Amino acid sequence: DAGVIQSPRHEVTEMGQEVTLRCKPISGHNSLFWYRQTMMRGLELLIYFNNNVPIDDSGMPEDRFSAKMPNASFSTLKIQPSEPRDSAVYFCASSPLTGGSYNEQFFGPGTRLTVL
Amino acid sequence: RKEVEQDPGPFNVPEGATVAFNCTYSNSASQSFFWYRQDCRKEPKLLMSVYSSGNEDGRFTAQLNRASQYISLLIRDSKLSDSATYLCGSGTGGFKTIFGAGTRLFVKA
Repeated sequence: DAGVIQSPRHEVTEMGQEVTLRCKPISGHNSLFWYRQTMMRGLELLIYFNNNVPIDDSGMPEDRFSAKMPNASFSTLKIQPSEPRDSAVYFCASSPLTGGSYNEQFFGPGTRLTVL
Repeated sequence: RKEVEQDPGPFNVPEGATVAFNCTYSNSASQSFFWYRQDCRKEPKLLMSVYSSGNEDGRFTAQLNRASQYISLLIRDSKLSDSATYLCGSGTGGFKTIFGAGTRLFVKA
């Protein structure tokens, strides 16, 4: 298996532009998570989906952020308009969620976003 | 107060040393606990799940103390390759895991 795939790996954009981050989870995994990581705030959960349905989006910072999961093999995180404080590494993770409490999350390589 | 807190370090230890990290969690409803390892500019990867009875994997031992709401990670005989950031996480039931900001470890020759 190729693991969780994210694109782009690096994105540099100007303030006010729309940014779209993409994620392909591991085949067969039924949960998908979007995280943001910065030095100041650490690894923050933004939103997660189970069976393509958003379960908890309480970590989404504001209305400029939106996420979709149109099918089991694809998800997007969109920022519109982007601001310099959105600069961070954005990770996507997926999990098989076997029904117990202990479900390993497999992280993608991340997208390093810089907003100028 | 953050839901999961860790000492950011850095911990600087010589090869062969034993080092321990603690992590506290505030949600008493937490049911699952983890240690992830993150190398510089890489993604986090699961190191160990932490079970009530404690568990050991080679040089790594994880412990859970529900009464005091903390988990610990002990690394024996540290190797240069153990240098990384160690993230602890707690979950409240299957889906959501909240992570601490991580503890940085540097093992030097």
